[in-house]
Amino acid sequence: GEDVEQSLFLSVREGDSSVINCTYTDSSSTYLYWYKQEPGAGLQLLTYIFSNMDMKQDQRLTVLLNKKDKHLSLRIADTQTGDSAIYFCAESINDYKLSFGAGTTVTVRA
Amino acid sequence: GAVVSQHPSWVICKSGTSVKIECRSLDFQATTMFWYRQFPKQSLMLMATSNEGSKATYEQGVEKDKFLINHASLTLSTLTVTSAHPEDSSFYICSATRRLAGGTDTQYFGPGTRLTVL
Repeated sequence: GEDVEQSLFLSVREGDSSVINCTYTDSSSTYLYWYKQEPGAGLQLLTYIFSNMDMKQDQRLTVLLNKKDKHLSLRIADTQTGDSAIYFCAESINDYKLSFGAGTTVTVRA
Repeated sequence: GAVVSQHPSWVICKSGTSVKIECRSLDFQATTMFWYRQFPKQSLMLMATSNEGSKATYEQGVEKDKFLINHASLTLSTLTVTSAHPEDSSFYICSATRRLAGGTDTQYFGPGTRLTVL
């Protein structure tokens, strides 16, 4: 995960928006992904964005990509307690392998 | 769609024994499967890439004789931890790739297997 960096923790109040940031290094990455991991579980694909896009919206999720700065963000609108989890940013590298960030632990407080 | 299962979900074994973990894509055929290892509060570390009918490709530092991978079909890959020791205790996660509309191969992950070696 050294090529992909994320802040480690985010605390947000229920109902507010959460923004998780990620920076990556491989400019040739064609796809960038956001995965969610709940305690003791595997990873759930939340959304992905193609590298020639700037933004993608899917219900409460908005992904912004700044390719020049190699910066990716995930915004969760109206954050709920069920959104508490670890969120991993990942970039595609050779042969469709993924390089993961260390994960951002999101805690939603009432 | 795109469900990946792992079995067992957790296992406790004695030092020196071998443990087999299965990864199955339930509703699609996976061109490639990957095996990851995750330590507590850390990211996923790719161990190997597995293609049906061919030898797995291991990442640097991963012992192929220690972690045997068999990819018997387009829906099943197995990871065998041979002669397990306490330092092999970890959370092992597999993923299976599926081609989405638009042509990208995306990884779908299994729920993970918690291995504890006593």
